[in-house]
Amino acid sequence: ETGVTQSPTHLIKTRGQQVTLRCSSQSGHNTVSWYQQALGQGPQFIFQYYREEENGRGNFPPRFSGLQFPNYSSELNVNALELDDSALYLCASRRGHLQETQYFGPGTRLLVL
Amino acid sequence: QQQVKQSPQSLIVQKGGISIINCAYENTAFDYFPWYQQFPGKGPALLIAIRPDVSEKKEGRFTISFNKSAKQFSLHIMDSQPGDSATYFCAASMGGAQKLVFGQGTRLTINP
Repeated sequence: ETGVTQSPTHLIKTRGQQVTLRCSSQSGHNTVSWYQQALGQGPQFIFQYYREEENGRGNFPPRFSGLQFPNYSSELNVNALELDDSALYLCASRRGHLQETQYFGPGTRLLVL
Repeated sequence: QQQVKQSPQSLIVQKGGISIINCAYENTAFDYFPWYQQFPGKGPALLIAIRPDVSEKKEGRFTISFNKSAKQFSLHIMDSQPGDSATYFCAASMGGAQKLVFGQGTRLTINP
């Protein structure tokens, strides 16, 4: 186990709703990245937070937003949910934003109906 | 140019055999190439990683071979065991600070 925890483990929402997913980074890690993993696909980078600021973003629309708190935990918010948002959402942490090794949490499985 | 292409999609190997998974990339700015192992219901776990200044790295039964000129790298699992059955992802990043770009994954099954 990596020490990265995520909640909830599973979530069911309907189209148009909003969802908040949470991540606690490994102790001593100040950088958190979020990835979306569709079924049968590799993870895709959503964005990264370092010292409470977003410092990198993938090809995801603005309805995907995030926060990082002073204790380095993080939230991913998705507004106006679409069916295609159904996926495993992974959080990864690392010791610094220049460190290469990322440690992933177990993910939150989101189903949008 | 940001893609990492992985093959095969699925692989079946007999216990004790060698499992080989291949990846190719286009962006020569990539300078960090990790492999992750993912079991059902779990997040990806880092197995082994390599930088382009070396051609091979070995950790236990796992070896990465890296061909910079061909822009290809591969994972070899020696003496494959049923417990190695999982999905494997190659990935790449540049500059250390950036996102990981993942391949599509290979579902590996080791038959007893």
